[in-house]
Amino acid sequence: GQQLNQSPQSMFIQEGEDVSMNCTSSSIFNTWLWYKQDPGEGPVLLIALYKAGELTSNGRLTAQFGITRKDSFLNISASIPSDVGIYFCAAAGGSNYKLTFGKGTLLTVNP
Amino acid sequence: DAGVIQSPRHEVTEMGQEVTLRCKPISGHNSLFWYRQTMMRGLELLIYFNNNVPIDDSGMPEDRFSAKMPNASFSTLKIQPSEPRDSAVYFCASTYKTGWDTQYFGPGTRLTVL
Repeated sequence: GQQLNQSPQSMFIQEGEDVSMNCTSSSIFNTWLWYKQDPGEGPVLLIALYKAGELTSNGRLTAQFGITRKDSFLNISASIPSDVGIYFCAAAGGSNYKLTFGKGTLLTVNP
Repeated sequence: DAGVIQSPRHEVTEMGQEVTLRCKPISGHNSLFWYRQTMMRGLELLIYFNNNVPIDDSGMPEDRFSAKMPNASFSTLKIQPSEPRDSAVYFCASTYKTGWDTQYFGPGTRLTVL
């Protein structure tokens, strides 16, 4: 089946540092998404990418849809303590309802 | 808007018992999803409803799992009989149109089967 390889699994950084995480796959996707999940809550969508090569920003977050349609990255600039959480990539292929999720990146920010 | 509402938030039960998880989607949303999240397998789609009709239940692990959506404002996911390996967080999500930026997740139900 389709799989997303998300890395790194975890990151420990100092407040103010930039963060980068990525997802790769052997399959081609039409949509790439990035979510954040706080403890005890459901995932919340951060950025949606619908075109290959697309680069989108949302505040301090920037994400890109890889030109090959097989990968995506998420950057967080100038991290703050509230950035702590688990970040998931997700992708959709031909179906308009089925998402494949990465295993997540646990981000810890030390004040 | 209250968002997607799930109940209970936590459920602890013994193996063999029936478990029913409940979801109230956001008003006006016509698509509903049930997901399961575990450390080993991550987030997986169990079943997808559109206009209260199950469209894809290929993710339902086995016959012990069943889901219903009797109306646009309520859905249940039932496990009977429950087993320890069913322990996970179960999420409900809803959306009202094609486009993932309109999909919202509920807070989840953490199920522990002893």
